[in-house]
Amino acid sequence: AQSVTQLDSQVPVFEEAPVELRCNYSSSVSVYLFWYVQYPNQGLQLLLKYLSGSTLVESINGFEAEFNKSQTSFHLRKPSVHISDTAEYFCAVSQIQGAQKLVFGQGTRLTINP
Amino acid sequence: EAQVTQNPRYLITVTGKKLTVTCSQNMNHEYMSWYRQDPGLGLRQIYYSMNVEVTDKGDVPEGYKVSRKEKRNFPLILESPSPNQTSLYFCASTDSRRNTEAFFGQGTRLTVV
Repeated sequence: AQSVTQLDSQVPVFEEAPVELRCNYSSSVSVYLFWYVQYPNQGLQLLLKYLSGSTLVESINGFEAEFNKSQTSFHLRKPSVHISDTAEYFCAVSQIQGAQKLVFGQGTRLTINP
Repeated sequence: EAQVTQNPRYLITVTGKKLTVTCSQNMNHEYMSWYRQDPGLGLRQIYYSMNVEVTDKGDVPEGYKVSRKEKRNFPLILESPSPNQTSLYFCASTDSRRNTEAFFGQGTRLTVV
């Protein structure tokens, strides 16, 4: 079984400041790792994913996440946030083998203040 | 446009009145799932389907039913809704050949009074 822990339920930051959203996971088998974003009143959209290879993955809108196997973490970072980044962010894992099932963390609400 | 479509988006109902939330995808995906989202709990899987006529329980299946008679459709059925099923529901589909990204519908906000 897998579990995901997002260490912060809410993160308020000022516009243009850096941000880190923390995610730790537990699994007895190999997993894929994901960050999904949910803008207000919308569904979830994939932000970025780690499947294999380089442990640093990037999104098209400036976010990046680094897979750290020894610490079982997949923290999300952005060097300078914008008002439009206000959303809820979910870290998730899924087994590489077997039926597709995403196990989600509790979510982190990112609020950007001007 | 590739998409997952859920209906309705919003629903208020009374305890015990059967309801169905529909989900349809146009990507020819084999895998489909239903999740519920509750504050502080993230999303939890209710049921999933690996293909037509193949369904299985997720983590929180009590009080729900599903069916998969066609590849594109995966309705969620609440035969006797209760207030603890008030939640935000999401349908998702995944290409089994890639199994690396789930596409989500816009969500259905259900209130049971």
